[in-house]
Amino acid sequence: GENVEQHPSTLSVQEGDSAVIKCTYSDSASNYFPWYKQELGKRPQLIIDIRSNVGEKKDQRIAVTLNKTAKHFSLHITETQPEDSAVYFCAARGFQKLVFGTGTRLLVSP
Amino acid sequence: GAVVSQHPSRVICKSGTSVKIECRSLDFQATTMFWYRQFPKKSLMLMATSNEGSKATYEQGVEKDKFLINHASLTLSTLTVTSAHPEDSSFYICSARGDSPEAFFGQGTRLTVV
Repeated sequence: GENVEQHPSTLSVQEGDSAVIKCTYSDSASNYFPWYKQELGKRPQLIIDIRSNVGEKKDQRIAVTLNKTAKHFSLHITETQPEDSAVYFCAARGFQKLVFGTGTRLLVSP
Repeated sequence: GAVVSQHPSRVICKSGTSVKIECRSLDFQATTMFWYRQFPKKSLMLMATSNEGSKATYEQGVEKDKFLINHASLTLSTLTVTSAHPEDSSFYICSARGDSPEAFFGQGTRLTVV
């Protein structure tokens, strides 16, 4: 089955810096790659997603890139703000199941 | 985005009792629902996938008889933790998917078994 690896596990940046989180997946049949932001005790919120027929997608300060050949995808957050502090999960889906990465705790210091 | 409602948000139960958690899609038909378990500071671990009207597919290591899943309609799935024990204490969260690949999450249920 699908296996998703995510790193780093923790990431500390200064406000205004960029943050990059990377994930790799194992199942070449996976075709949908969402990123979620989860605050403590709350549900994961979808922040951006990308499908396998697209290499890059951007939404304001957030962008995601996908390299299907290498089976990895990345989340890029520019001009980080303290409210970006949370745990971020990548995920990959093949036929049905959404498999999550291990999460990255992002801390943005003012 | 679509709305998925899960309740209760918190429940405390005695060891040996059963607890039912509901997950409802409020404005779309959820052909597939997923149940996850999340330990503190850990990722979401898929427990089972359910399609409306059919039996749930459980992930390896998840006890079918302990975690009963029912997906009786296109808007409702339930997870029943039977004969709960303290080690079942966790954050349980559902997600629902319709025609699009995007999955929408419920608010989660924090279960504490005492």
